[in-house]
Amino acid sequence: QKEVEQDPGPLSVPEGAIVSLNCTYSNSAFQYFMWYRQYSRKGPELLMYTYSSGNKEDGRFTAQVDKSSKYISLFIRDSQPSDSATYLCATNYGGSQGNLIFGKGTKLSVKP
Amino acid sequence: SQTIHQWPATLVQPVGSPLSLECTVEGTSNPNLYWYRQAAGRGLQLLFYSVGIGQISSEVPQNLSASRPQDRQFILSSKKLLLSDSGFYLCAWSVAGASTDTQYFGPGTRLTVL
Repeated sequence: QKEVEQDPGPLSVPEGAIVSLNCTYSNSAFQYFMWYRQYSRKGPELLMYTYSSGNKEDGRFTAQVDKSSKYISLFIRDSQPSDSATYLCATNYGGSQGNLIFGKGTKLSVKP
Repeated sequence: SQTIHQWPATLVQPVGSPLSLECTVEGTSNPNLYWYRQAAGRGLQLLFYSVGIGQISSEVPQNLSASRPQDRQFILSSKKLLLSDSGFYLCAWSVAGASTDTQYFGPGTRLTVL
């Protein structure tokens, strides 16, 4: 069983839709959870990170962690064509050499 | 603020040729440094990481090597490239000692081996 599973998509939505991106993980020892956005032919950029269960909001983005289910989500409200990218979830055990474990990414396309 | 640079941005090399990719970080001291390869459909593969000058850990056996000659410089090398070395190479850094190990990525180098 892979440590982090993520549906590769592609996911296509109309502009203005609410987008839900999800990952599951297998190890309950994982402590930190991150979402990265990667535009085509660019390096991933950090969107959000969270430690505890619950929700964390940043503008149109909400990261949600459910440690009991080992499930993490990223919600995008009022999606825009500029949100079209691949979204990668990541997690680690914590510590200075945590070595992030990444999902394979979900490719999102927001159609105008 | 911190900035991470990678060069070259793109590279086309023949099989059997050498390789040198460079990564530098500005605006921070003693960062943890990482090299990843990203191949289509395979996600990010950690190749090397470094916690200090001359300290390199390898995650996968391969014909690539890494060096850290200066605090904020990380180099990925190969003596003889293989076709399978083609991919998108990403350098990343994180704050040493931080519990989150949040990593910040460079713009990447797209390598095509022919």
